[in-house]
Amino acid sequence: QVQLVQSGSELKKPGASVKVSCKASGYTFNNHGMNWVRQAPGQGLEWMGWINTNTGNPTYAQGFTGRFVFSLDTSVSTAYLQISSLKAEDTAVYYCARRVGSLCDYWGQGTLVTVSS
Amino acid sequence: EIVLTQSPGTLSLSPGERATLSCRASQSVSGSYLAWYQQKPGQAPRLLIYGASSRATGIPDRFSGSGSGTDSTLTISRLEPEDFAVYYCQQYASSTGTFGQGTKVEIK
Repeated sequence: QVQLVQSGSELKKPGASVKVSCKASGYTFNNHGMNWVRQAPGQGLEWMGWINTNTGNPTYAQGFTGRFVFSLDTSVSTAYLQISSLKAEDTAVYYCARRVGSLCDYWGQGTLVTVSS
Repeated sequence: EIVLTQSPGTLSLSPGERATLSCRASQSVSGSYLAWYQQKPGQAPRLLIYGASSRATGIPDRFSGSGSGTDSTLTISRLEPEDFAVYYCQQYASSTGTFGQGTKVEIK
């Protein structure tokens, strides 16, 4: 069965960086792109962008350019989200989700990133 | 960018009642590329409906989706206790898949 398993919660100081992993199993990794979605505390879902798992080409939604980087390690069927120069407002749960177009058909369990001094 | 507006913000109903959730787009969503997700506290969202009206794998038939163009509806025919949750619509017609702000279905 399709599974996306994300790395554990992170507590970071402002200005630091964080890298969230999303390991896929149960399907051919490069048959589907990977979407990334953010959910701030008590808020709704925000589509961040996606990465093409064939070419490695990322696409970022407005508001997620510059400090946010999507990457892959196809040898271990894993997608990554790196956020640099962390700010308090980056505190959120970050989800990876298997992509069918921009549709998210399977989701990881989410990774809580907390930014606090 | 297509903006999705969901209504109502909160729906207070009793188990066994019918729930009707609305999602309105700022422009027509081509190809009925409209999806609905359910999210329970502390859990990841789960895909319910795609293509405006097709149920995802394993979704009970009390969930149905309808609509086209700018207006879509999610209907839960008879609410079960496990259906009380937040529901999000999403358009995926463009390469950027925007979400609505969510409707909370709570127990009355």
